[in-house]
Amino acid sequence: GQNIDQPTEMTATEGAIVQINCTYQTSGFNGLFWYQQHAGEAPTFLSYNVLDGLEEKGRFSSFLSRSKGYSYLLLKELQMKDSASYLCAVMDSNYQLIWGAGTKLIIKP
Amino acid sequence: DAMVIQNPRYQVTQFGKPVTLSCSQTLNHNVMYWYQQKSSQAPKLLFHYYDKDFNNEADTPDNFQSRRPNTSFCFLDIRSPGLGDAAMYLCATSERVGTGPAEQYFGPGTRLTVT
Repeated sequence: GQNIDQPTEMTATEGAIVQINCTYQTSGFNGLFWYQQHAGEAPTFLSYNVLDGLEEKGRFSSFLSRSKGYSYLLLKELQMKDSASYLCAVMDSNYQLIWGAGTKLIIKP
Repeated sequence: DAMVIQNPRYQVTQFGKPVTLSCSQTLNHNVMYWYQQKSSQAPKLLFHYYDKDFNNEADTPDNFQSRRPNTSFCFLDIRSPGLGDAAMYLCATSERVGTGPAEQYFGPGTRLTVT
């Protein structure tokens, strides 16, 4: 079966760095997406990785290792507004998104 | 601004009373999706339209139907809502998959309450 695993919840301090991991097992691979979702709102796109390596976009970076079925989202200089759920999703061979349940990130002052 | 719009944002319906949720997009995307998301869970794909081609997920209950009268609009009909159907319903769009993987753009969602 297809499976996306990510931690349920993480806590970090304002100004710090946090890494949210995602492991996946899917039928085929056409890229991995990270979305941010604030409580009660729709997911918003953060990043897309299809090749191995690190993609950097401001305070957020995303890493992919296809051989290990592994990705992480790195958030630097954490701000209170970064408190949200972070969803990892993999596009399978049918171009369907397989979603993880999300990691709830709690930022403390 | 090009966007995905969902109406209403909050919908209350009675047990067994049909309800329709609507989604419109100004992105001119070929693909439109309907997801159901319950608290602290992953979005669950109900169905999607690839142009006018309707694709139903195998585990989507028959209680859920969809219509896409044109490129811009898509509707989700819940014929007889049960208490278990209370959830956030998300509409999303993406460009035609033939050009490769594309990010999905989400509307703000409709939170459905069943009383």
